Amino acid sequence: EAEVAQSPRYKITEKSQAVAFWCDPISGHATLYWYRQILGQGPELLVQFQDESVVDDSQLPKDRFSAERLKGVDSTLKIQPAELGDSAMYLCASSSGTGGLGAKNIQYFGAGTRLSVL
Amino acid sequence: AQKVTQAQTEISVVEKEDVTLDCVYETRDTTYYLFWYKQPPSGELVFLIRRNSFDEQNEISGRYSWNFQKSTSSFNFTITASQVVDSAVYFCALIRGGSQGNLIFGKGTKLSVKP
Repeated sequence: EAEVAQSPRYKITEKSQAVAFWCDPISGHATLYWYRQILGQGPELLVQFQDESVVDDSQLPKDRFSAERLKGVDSTLKIQPAELGDSAMYLCASSSGTGGLGAKNIQYFGAGTRLSVL
Repeated sequence: AQKVTQAQTEISVVEKEDVTLDCVYETRDTTYYLFWYKQPPSGELVFLIRRNSFDEQNEISGRYSWNFQKSTSSFNFTITASQVVDSAVYFCALIRGGSQGNLIFGKGTKLSVKP
């Protein structure tokens, strides 16, 4: 069964350092999402891509976070500089459709990257 | 504004008991979809079910069943004869029925099933 791949699974970094997370969606899935999940909370969207284009990055802290999906396949999320409050699980998801439309709006999630900022 | 409320933060049951997880949602959209996801300790979110706003038929899948009631804006999830492997955090989520929609999650309910 196809899966969303994420790496690394765990990342420990010091405040003010740069970190990067990688996501490879299910093959053929046009839409890719990055979510952040703080301990004890539900995931919240950071950025949504449709192919290589950003559809929604309204919740992405753009002063320190950046995301790209250059060839419309895999994606990288970067934080520079990391802050203590960035400690969270970063989840990547993909879907075959566009946003909320129809039968293709099921989002499939990867195992996530758990970030600890010291 | 869209919102999903899962009032039960944690539930603990003994194996073989039935348990219902509550979900109440708010939306002004007429077309929307509701989801349940399971998050085991390993971290990944596992898709369980999707319902669209025009289909209020309840669904049963093995030991799992879902009760969707638009009149009360609820989409509750029942596990019959719970098992230890059901222990996880369960999230209810909502997505609007447009082209640009992301999942709006509740805060989750942590279910512990004890042997």
